[in-house]
Amino acid sequence: RKEVEQDPGPFNVPEGATVAFNCTYSNSASQSFFWYRQDCRKEPKLLMSVYSSGNEDGRFTAQLNRASQYISLLIRDSKLSDSATYLCVVITTGGGNKLTFGTGTQLKVEL
Amino acid sequence: DADVTQTPRNRITKTGKRIMLECSQTKGHDRMYWYRQDPGLGLRLIYYSFDVKDINKGEISDGYSVSRQAQAKFSLSLESAIPNQTALYFCATSDLAREQFFGPGTRLTVL
Repeated sequence: RKEVEQDPGPFNVPEGATVAFNCTYSNSASQSFFWYRQDCRKEPKLLMSVYSSGNEDGRFTAQLNRASQYISLLIRDSKLSDSATYLCVVITTGGGNKLTFGTGTQLKVEL
Repeated sequence: DADVTQTPRNRITKTGKRIMLECSQTKGHDRMYWYRQDPGLGLRLIYYSFDVKDINKGEISDGYSVSRQAQAKFSLSLESAIPNQTALYFCATSDLAREQFFGPGTRLTVL
């Protein structure tokens, strides 16, 4: 089993839709979680951190479920500009921080 | 100006050639990383460095070497390039908050 798994998609949604992605992780010692956004052929950029209590940034909401070992990203009122690949990142401590990227979920928002 | 720069941005080389990819940063971070990205495999860590005197192997270091010439500079070398090293290479920096800041990437093709 991969340490961090994501559905590669693509998720094709109409503009204005709500879409959610999940990311599962295998190591229960994982401590920190992030969502990054990567546009085609560009570098990844931090979208948001994921806090234990869940957090929201505008149209984006991130959640952490430690019991089931997954994080989620919800995008409301999708815009064409949200089209990108969303990468989850998990940091596991103990013997040095280990940072693991998921392979990403591709989102395409259409008119 | 970009905080993390990589040179070259694109490179085509032949099997057996030595090639160096360079990374510079102006963010003042101590931690620097080299990743490669392949379709369907996500970002994989090659080497990382937490300060000038610290070099650590990542997940896929075989066939690569690095040099941390200064706090701001971290170069990646392929001593004898092979076709399966064809990939998109990213340099990144981070501070203790662990957000990663990526360079624009180097697209390397080994023929």
